[in-house]
Order: sequence, then structure tokens, then C-alpha cells
Amino acid sequence: ETGVTQTPRHLVMGMTNKKSLKCEQHLGHNAMYWYKQSAKKPLELMFVYNFKEQTENNSVPSRFSPECPNSSHLFLHLHTLQPEDSALYLCASSQDEERGRYNEQFFGPGTRLTVL
Amino acid sequence: AQKVTQAQTEISVVEKEDVTLDCVYETRDTTYYLFWYKQPPSGELVFLIRRNSFDEQNEISGRYSWNFQKSTSSFNFTITASQVVDSAVYFCALSELYGNKLVFGAGTILRVKS
Repeated sequence: ETGVTQTPRHLVMGMTNKKSLKCEQHLGHNAMYWYKQSAKKPLELMFVYNFKEQTENNSVPSRFSPECPNSSHLFLHLHTLQPEDSALYLCASSQDEERGRYNEQFFGPGTRLTVL
Repeated sequence: AQKVTQAQTEISVVEKEDVTLDCVYETRDTTYYLFWYKQPPSGELVFLIRRNSFDEQNEISGRYSWNFQKSTSSFNFTITASQVVDSAVYFCALSELYGNKLVFGAGTILRVKS
């Protein structure tokens, strides 16, 4: 595997379900991100992890819970979602070049989530 | 606050035509990065270019060229001799020089017809 992979590619869930999205990067990067892309809004940054520590939570509701067990893996745990949470969820990674300067972000193919 | 505006929601062209995608940005930072990404129907955002605000030289890569003008806060993207495979959504983005938060524009849908 190369680049950034995401599983599953498609997910349909009810509002009472609990599911998890998985992201894995094979680029040796030390920062990972979750973005939400919905039809009516531009790409929104949700969470940022640097060196496995969460450094950004962009006012995301608590029904979304991120987990970064190591620098290569990132999860997004979902529970009691709402229909308006239906969107494409994109994972990305990048490398801190030096003292806070980051290179470009590389994105995965996304998980298309539908909440019924 | 940072903001990126892509005023063109959708553009349709016929194959082999040249097309320019506009991007205007706002930032209080004196140094920053600008990006273009391509999102084909498969969904994955593909990195095209990163430009440092220090460098106002235009860049050409094959059929792609970018025109960065700091005086007008614009970073426009031109595809020469467009092809059907260029059909995608194109996003312009902005970040601080030190930091990793990307601010994206709303995107421009490009449709290239044969």
C-alpha cells in the first residue's frame, strides 16, 4: 500500500449505530488530519494530530471521537450521528519539515458516509 | 481571519480549449502558502502545487501554469489544451507559513467535453 488509505470507502449507518472510520498513511509523516466535505459547505478541518497528540479540534460535536494510536493510524469513532452528518470524510497526512513548517497534505480517497 | 474565494462555481469547456480557474485570498499574514488540489470523481484530493508567498514567479508544469499576484491577492490556475481527464473539482487553499491548517475555497467544477 502506498500513500494514504481509508476504510471503509462507503458506510451506511443508522442514528443509533456506532462505527469507526480508519485511516492509514504509508508516507512516514508525523501529522494526520480529518476533514469533512459536505454538499453545502467547503472542506472543513475537523481534527489535527501532531506526533500522535491532538492539536486541533475545530468545534466538532462530541459524537465524533478521534483516536491516533500511532503516527501512521488515525480513527474517527462515530456514535449517535444525525442525518446532517452524511458527508465525505477525508483523511490527510503531512510532515513537519522544521519548527512548525509543514509540507503539503496528502489525502486519502475518503469514506462516503450516509446516516439514515 | 483567512479566506479563499473561488468565484467560479462551474466551468464547461470543449476539449483543447484553454481554461483559467480563479482564486482570490485574504490573510493578515505577510508570509503564507498557497495550494491547488484536484478532486476527480474518485474523491481523493490530488496535490498539484504549493507556492510560498515569498516567491511570485509564475510556474509551469506541462499543461498547467499558475499565476501568483500578491498585489491583487490572486493565485490563478490555467490549463492549456484541456482534456476530458481534466474534468474534476479544483480547490485553492491557503495556510500560514508556520502551521498546518489549510483553509479551502469552495471549489470550481471543471467539465471538459469531447
